[in-house]
Amino acid sequence: AQSVTQLGSHVSVSEGALVLLRCNYSSSVPPYLFWYVQYPNQGLQLLLKYTTGATLVKGINGFEAEFKKSETSFHLTKPSAHMSDAAEYFCAVSALGSYIPTFGRGTSLIVHP
Amino acid sequence: NAGVTQTPKFQVLKTGQSMTLQCAQDMNHNSMYWYRQDPGMGLRLIYYSASEGTTDKGEVPNGYNVSRLNKREFSLRLESAAPSQTSVYFCATLGTGEETQYFGPGTRLLVL
Repeated sequence: AQSVTQLGSHVSVSEGALVLLRCNYSSSVPPYLFWYVQYPNQGLQLLLKYTTGATLVKGINGFEAEFKKSETSFHLTKPSAHMSDAAEYFCAVSALGSYIPTFGRGTSLIVHP
Repeated sequence: NAGVTQTPKFQVLKTGQSMTLQCAQDMNHNSMYWYRQDPGMGLRLIYYSASEGTTDKGEVPNGYNVSRLNKREFSLRLESAAPSQTSVYFCATLGTGEETQYFGPGTRLLVL
């Protein structure tokens, strides 16, 4: 069984500030971890993913995430928020050989000018 | 390539009416999924199809049926719509040996 917890349904930052979106997971097998982004009135698109190898993963638009096995976390960060980053962000977990990912409930990122 | 397409984009139904949501993909992916998205609930899996000819229930299948018409198409049917089915519905695909799902643009359904 696997599950995902995203801390904070809403995160508000000022433009230029650090973005930190938290994701903790549980999985009985080594996980694959994902962050998806959803802009208003659109479908989800992949931001970044961790499967194997380097635990610090870089994605599109300056985002990155670090897989920390000891903390069962995969937090998403960006050094400097931009207005265009305002969106819904979803963390997801799956496992090797599984084609049923589990999604978190999402975090809405609000960016203030 | 269109990727994953969904029709219609928006629909209003009255309670008790039926409708079919269509999903098509040109990515040659084996697995296809139907999710619903509600505020504060994230994405919940309704049904999925691991390959052509197979379908399985997800987390919230009640009130829905699906049909995997061929490798490209996966439809979701509401036989008797209820207000609780007001939601945004997303279709997604996954290729064999891949990890990343690809999502359609969504269908916004309002049941009055």
